[in-house]
Amino acid sequence: DAGVTQSPTHLIKTRGQQVTLRCSPKSGHDTVSWYQQALGQGPQFIFQYYEEEERQRGNFPDRFSGHQFPNYSSELNVNALLLGDSALYLCASSQKIREGLYNEQFFGPGTRLTVL
Amino acid sequence: DQQVKQNSPSLSVQEGRISILNCDYTNSMFDYFLWYKKYPAEGPTFLISISSIKDKNEDGRFTVFLNKSAKHLSLHIVPSQPGDSAVYFCAAKAVSKLTFGKGITLSVRP
Repeated sequence: DAGVTQSPTHLIKTRGQQVTLRCSPKSGHDTVSWYQQALGQGPQFIFQYYEEEERQRGNFPDRFSGHQFPNYSSELNVNALLLGDSALYLCASSQKIREGLYNEQFFGPGTRLTVL
Repeated sequence: DQQVKQNSPSLSVQEGRISILNCDYTNSMFDYFLWYKKYPAEGPTFLISISSIKDKNEDGRFTVFLNKSAKHLSLHIVPSQPGDSAVYFCAAKAVSKLTFGKGITLSVRP
């Protein structure tokens, strides 16, 4: 079991550009959550996908969007990049047990995004 | 508005002694609390959790205590080992969304 995988590992973009980050969940997991971790901060929840729909969203602008595919993998898209978007982007997967109950989240190694 | 607070940025402990990592929260809707450990260049790794209906959970060298009236939890590591040196995040869960603290860097001196 490869666990949660993310690509790419590192990425450098310039302001105004768009970026797509990818995540494959742990085998058997059907729910994917994305987090942004700025330097010196804890991870901040961006949104969560289940059954190919966005189920919960944190306090992030519409420039941040996502997608989940039938195989449960997910993408995070960020448009009109700002310098402040530079961070480690973490993907976490879990399994929905029943409404309102999920098992623990397993995190991938993250994608380090630098915006110049 | 920081709902989960880890007020100490770092802690240094001698090998073999106890490490106590503290965490405070403000949101009464949190129903589960978790500790994650993070090494550089890796994602956070789940360590131990506790339900809001419990006051203690133990797993080997790791024990988490929850004081709901004080909205405070702590992670005890006994005995501390050099391999425990990492950043530790406290997280609180409401439904499936995790809210993290800023983390504390634990250094265990040989």
